[in-house]
Amino acid sequence: DTGVSQDPRHKITKRGQNVTFRCDPISEHNRLYWYRQTLGQGPEFLTYFQNEAQLEKSRLLSDRFSAERPKGSFSTLEIQRTEQGDSAMYLCASSGGDRLSIGDNEQFFGPGTRLTVL
Amino acid sequence: AQSVTQLDSQVPVFEEAPVELRCNYSSSVSVYLFWYVQYPNQGLQLLLKYLSGSTLVKGINGFEAEFNKSQTSFHLRKPSVHISDTAEYFCAVSLSLSFGGYQKVTFGTGTKLQVIP
Repeated sequence: DTGVSQDPRHKITKRGQNVTFRCDPISEHNRLYWYRQTLGQGPEFLTYFQNEAQLEKSRLLSDRFSAERPKGSFSTLEIQRTEQGDSAMYLCASSGGDRLSIGDNEQFFGPGTRLTVL
Repeated sequence: AQSVTQLDSQVPVFEEAPVELRCNYSSSVSVYLFWYVQYPNQGLQLLLKYLSGSTLVKGINGFEAEFNKSQTSFHLRKPSVHISDTAEYFCAVSLSLSFGGYQKVTFGTGTKLQVIP
């Protein structure tokens, strides 16, 4: 399977703990996105990487959140001092390739990491 | 900034009946439009997309959608639904730019389609 993978699929943690999620995009994709999805809502944009550069961050991404993509391949999303309000599904998506595709912004999504903060 | 409205949070429909899931968008510039499907505990899968050209777009699993610029709508339709279509459907929009590259995608709140046997 060469789709987007995320690890872990589920994470239960206590309030105040730090958690880290990993996303492995489709190998030839240079763009990577993180979204948060809460119950009854659509995915909300968190941040975007073009290769290793983090080019945009949402206001939703507080100081407790940090994302990295050190070698332009996999990415990690860390949440420090978790709060109950951080409970959500965290989705990763990737798109793009070596060529710029005008208008072709299809994002391929991973299965998500469901975070529960007790 | 663009936005998407999906007025129906849930749509029950009997198996083999037709269905329409509504989506309206708001944007001051040209847009690209998408429909994604999400099955329980899974990520999102692209059903279809409108970039330009014909306003009737056909997607996977027998779904189609029609772009209506005057009504700023992009409703999703299927003439005969199957039990396996039970899922949540998200409409999404991004700005249409003259060059390629990154375009932020904004999602609606989703519509749960429940197919009744």
